[in-house]
Amino acid sequence: DAGVTQSPTHLIKTRGQQVTLRCSPISGHKSVSWYQQVLGQGPQFIFQYYEKEERGRGNFPDRFSARQFPNYSSELNVNALLLGDSALYLCASSSTGRDNLNQPQHFGDGTRLSIL
Amino acid sequence: ILNVEQSPQSLHVQEGDSTNFTCSFPSSNFYALHWYRWETAKSPEALFVMTLNGDEKKKGRISATLNTKEGYSYLYIKGSQPEDSATYLCAFKGATNKLIFGTGTLLAVQP
Repeated sequence: DAGVTQSPTHLIKTRGQQVTLRCSPISGHKSVSWYQQVLGQGPQFIFQYYEKEERGRGNFPDRFSARQFPNYSSELNVNALLLGDSALYLCASSSTGRDNLNQPQHFGDGTRLSIL
Repeated sequence: ILNVEQSPQSLHVQEGDSTNFTCSFPSSNFYALHWYRWETAKSPEALFVMTLNGDEKKKGRISATLNTKEGYSYLYIKGSQPEDSATYLCAFKGATNKLIFGTGTLLAVQP
């Protein structure tokens, strides 16, 4: 079975632009979470979606938004990009129920976003 | 602000050594504590999710314990091997629906 897949793997943007990152969860997983990882820090929680509804939100500005589609894939959008948005963006899926941050998270390989 | 702290920041051991590291988290409103292994150029891999005070989990040479009353978890690796070299992350879930990660412990095992 395929794991969590993310696209693109690398992306270069300039300040002020907008970006969309994509994630396909493991087949059968209904929950998707997004994380930002900056060098030297642990992953920072951005959003969690379950059954197309936002179930959790981290301390990120409104420039960050996400959505989940009927097939449970998800997109993370970031508007008005800043230099500080340069990071590895990880997506994770998990399998059971609404309270699924109590379940192991299965991570993709991430999208490396560089802002010039 | 919820704080999850891991120590040490990094660790260098010889092959065959046993080692352990610590994750400290808030002792109130505890729901779950996760451990992940993150090897270079790979994605984080789930090791354990623990939800009950006193939980002990084991996977091969790796084991973990949990004390929710005092807010800490230990991860133990017995007889470290070079393939154990990775960053080990813990993550705390409290009453809010967020997963809060520590900054990780970087383990390097020399042959």
